[in-house]
Amino acid sequence: GAGVSQSPSNKVTEKGKDVELRCDPISGHTALYWYRQSLGQGLEFLIYFQGNSAPDKSGLPSDRFSAERTGGSVSTLTIQRTQQEDSAVYLCASSLVERGPGVDTQYFGPGTRLTVL
Amino acid sequence: KNEVEQSPQNLTAQEGEFITINCSYSVGISALHWLQQHPGGGIVSLFMLSSGKKKHGRLIATINIQEKHSSLHITASHPRDSAVYICAVFKTSGSRLTFGEGTQLTVNP
Repeated sequence: GAGVSQSPSNKVTEKGKDVELRCDPISGHTALYWYRQSLGQGLEFLIYFQGNSAPDKSGLPSDRFSAERTGGSVSTLTIQRTQQEDSAVYLCASSLVERGPGVDTQYFGPGTRLTVL
Repeated sequence: KNEVEQSPQNLTAQEGEFITINCSYSVGISALHWLQQHPGGGIVSLFMLSSGKKKHGRLIATINIQEKHSSLHITASHPRDSAVYICAVFKTSGSRLTFGEGTQLTVNP
């Protein structure tokens, strides 16, 4: 069966350019999470979607970051005017949310490694 | 002080040894997750706990809600267990996971 997929797997961009990262969750999973892992750092929460709405955007580090989810499925994380400190692995996870967000197993995608030169 | 603290940060063991990784947290939670991250970066969810103990193969996870503490045990460790183990909590007041810094485990043959 298909797991969570993310694209691209690697992205190298120049400072100041915009990037879009895509996440395809497991079919039927209503909750979707974006996380970031900077080199040598722990995981950092960015945003959580329940269906198409984002009840918690408080982890987004600046207004250059935005995310959307359409059709309760695919999500796109957009970073505008990228900076070198945005370089990290961006991870997406989804869960079924039978019992509530956070109390169901989260399934992680392979991540997108973003390098901002 | 981080809301989720793991110890040790690094752990080296010989194949066959019994391993314990600890996680303490300082907030009210509805669930605690143990995750495994392999050198290639992929993350796998091992356990989700809200009370008691769970076992899967050679892995055992326990949680003491009153003491705000969880442990992950690996019995008969193997080099393929080498990975970063991450503790994460889901706070009762929010909708997000808060992560510990991870424990780098190396099991030598």
